[in-house]
Amino acid sequence: AQSVTQLGSHVSVSEGALVLLRCNYSSSVPPYLFWYVQYPNQGLQLLLKYTSAATLVKGINGFEAEFKKSETSFHLTKPSAHMSDAAEYFCAVSEGGNKLVFGAGTILRVKS
Amino acid sequence: DTAVSQTPKYLVTQMGNDKSIKCEQNLGHDTMYWYKQDSKKFLKIMFSYNNKELIINETVPNRFSPKSPDKAHLNLHINSLELGDSAVYFCASSPSGGGAYEQYFGPGTRLTVT
Repeated sequence: AQSVTQLGSHVSVSEGALVLLRCNYSSSVPPYLFWYVQYPNQGLQLLLKYTSAATLVKGINGFEAEFKKSETSFHLTKPSAHMSDAAEYFCAVSEGGNKLVFGAGTILRVKS
Repeated sequence: DTAVSQTPKYLVTQMGNDKSIKCEQNLGHDTMYWYKQDSKKFLKIMFSYNNKELIINETVPNRFSPKSPDKAHLNLHINSLELGDSAVYFCASSPSGGGAYEQYFGPGTRLTVT
């Protein structure tokens, strides 16, 4: 069965610094991978997804993620953090059916 | 236009009551979902419907009963509410055809059982 591990429940960066949020997955078949963002008291919004095309995926708001099969990872990065990036980020995996399995989430704090 | 909408946004009720949450999507998607997000923000799927047919039914107490009158609507009815049912419930939708499609989430319904 598929599963997702997000290392670090809280990540704090300074404004302008690199953002790195870690996600490792477990899947018995080539997975589909997603990053979602949740702002306070809101629903989840898709940042980007990997569906077996390019391994480097670009998303909205300057975020990107790289699929590394050998490391079973799909880490999310952004070169320069902005205050508006403060939110909770969820990595999710699908094995091809409609079921998404989410990680526990990482809260990103951006310091001025 | 709101893509996935839920009503109500907040729901406060007492133990033992029965309540419903409604969800509607105007994206033309065939598949809809209910998720539960607990107090630790852990998000877990409860149910999924495809064209009004139940396709995913996770281990959920049978006090929870989803109903899909048409493919644009998926409601969640909860009987005999318990304290542990307090959570944020999210509705989502996606095109059918497999896991490559992202799911679009509603704003959530925060249920508080006292």
